[in-house]
Amino acid sequence: GDSVTQMEGPVTLSEEAFLTINCTYTATGYPSLFWYVQYPGEGLQLLLKATKADDKGSNKGFEATYRKETTSFHLEKGSVQVSDSAVYFCALRGDSSASKIIFGSGTRLSIRP
Amino acid sequence: NAGVTQTPKFQVLKTGQSMTLQCAQDMNHEYMSWYRQDPGMGLRLIHYSVGAGITDQGEVPNGYNVSRSTTEDFPLRLLSAAPSQTSVYFCASRQTSLPDTQYFGPGTRLTVL
Repeated sequence: GDSVTQMEGPVTLSEEAFLTINCTYTATGYPSLFWYVQYPGEGLQLLLKATKADDKGSNKGFEATYRKETTSFHLEKGSVQVSDSAVYFCALRGDSSASKIIFGSGTRLSIRP
Repeated sequence: NAGVTQTPKFQVLKTGQSMTLQCAQDMNHEYMSWYRQDPGMGLRLIHYSVGAGITDQGEVPNGYNVSRSTTEDFPLRLLSAAPSQTSVYFCASRQTSLPDTQYFGPGTRLTVL
């Protein structure tokens, strides 16, 4: 079945450092890919998404590119801030509108001032 | 719009007790789902519903029941709580016509002693 694998955390970086969180997926067809963010004590929020190969999703300085050839959707940010400290989830949805969303295990990110 | 609301926010149960976690949305979304979040395991789908009167099992349905008598409400019932059900529970909803935009509630933290 469909699955998502993302790098294990926790990841600790200094403010203004470059961030990469790796995500790879297994799916049939052409899934949609997502990054969700969960701030402490809150539910998940959609951070960005990409719905077809080579699409780049972006939001709040974060970017991820849908790479079908490597089945990857790595999250990047050029200069992280303390306020980016959160848990990040990679996810996919199959190519039917009623398909379930499958989540990765999450990566906890902590940014030091 | 209140979005997706969940009650209670916290709950402690003893083994064998029953309870219902409430979830409501005011966005007229057809699709609703329940997830549990456990450390290192991301979010796992418990049950979902594609519309009033229709429910189906997700990845980890055992020990949980759901019903969907209205579009707005999707309660999750624990019939006989077990310590393995200690987790954080999230309800989510989306429009079937906009499958890539899912909204999450704030979560219910459940402890079973």
